[in-house]
Amino acid sequence: RKEVEQDPGPFNVPEGATVAFNCTYSNSASQSFFWYRQDCRKEPKLLMSVYSSGNEDGRFTAQLNRASQYISLLIRDSKLSDSATYLCVVNMRGGGNKLTFGTGTQLKVEL
Amino acid sequence: EPEVTQTPSHQVTQMGQEVILRCVPISNHLYFYWYRQILGQKVEFLVSFYNNEISEKSEIFDDQFSVERPDGSNFTLKIRSTKLEDSAMYFCASTRTGPNTEAFFGQGTRLTVV
Repeated sequence: RKEVEQDPGPFNVPEGATVAFNCTYSNSASQSFFWYRQDCRKEPKLLMSVYSSGNEDGRFTAQLNRASQYISLLIRDSKLSDSATYLCVVNMRGGGNKLTFGTGTQLKVEL
Repeated sequence: EPEVTQTPSHQVTQMGQEVILRCVPISNHLYFYWYRQILGQKVEFLVSFYNNEISEKSEIFDDQFSVERPDGSNFTLKIRSTKLEDSAMYFCASTRTGPNTEAFFGQGTRLTVV
């Protein structure tokens, strides 16, 4: 089983749509969880950290389910500028001083 | 906004040659990292560096690789004898207090080995 697993997509959605991405991780003792955004041939940039209580930042909502080892990201009222690859990233307990990345889910928002 | 800077943005080298990739992490950050991303694949951890020494390295980071912080600002990745499969985007990153905090990534160096 992959350490961090995501549906690669692409997800093609119309502008204004709501889209949800899911991610599962294999290490039940993982400590920290993040969603990063990566534009084509650019560096990853932090979108938001993910907390057990769930957290929201504008149109973006992240949820963590530790029992199911599952992380989600919801984007409401999607914009053309949201088109990117969304990376699920985990710092695993016992994984030392590093981040473990999923392969990413590609989102294309269309007119 | 503070940022991590990397040079060069693109490096083309012949197989077997040595390359040095350079990074200037954010000045008050304490943890430094190198990651790589082969085209079309996921971002992979190479090495982390803290308190002037390697704190962890991956299986990818074999004897051909080394890192150094030669002065108070630069953080370098050296590949001694490049192979075709070393062709990738190499990202430097830094964090203030470890991997549980936001990692800031540089723009990357695209290494092409021919």
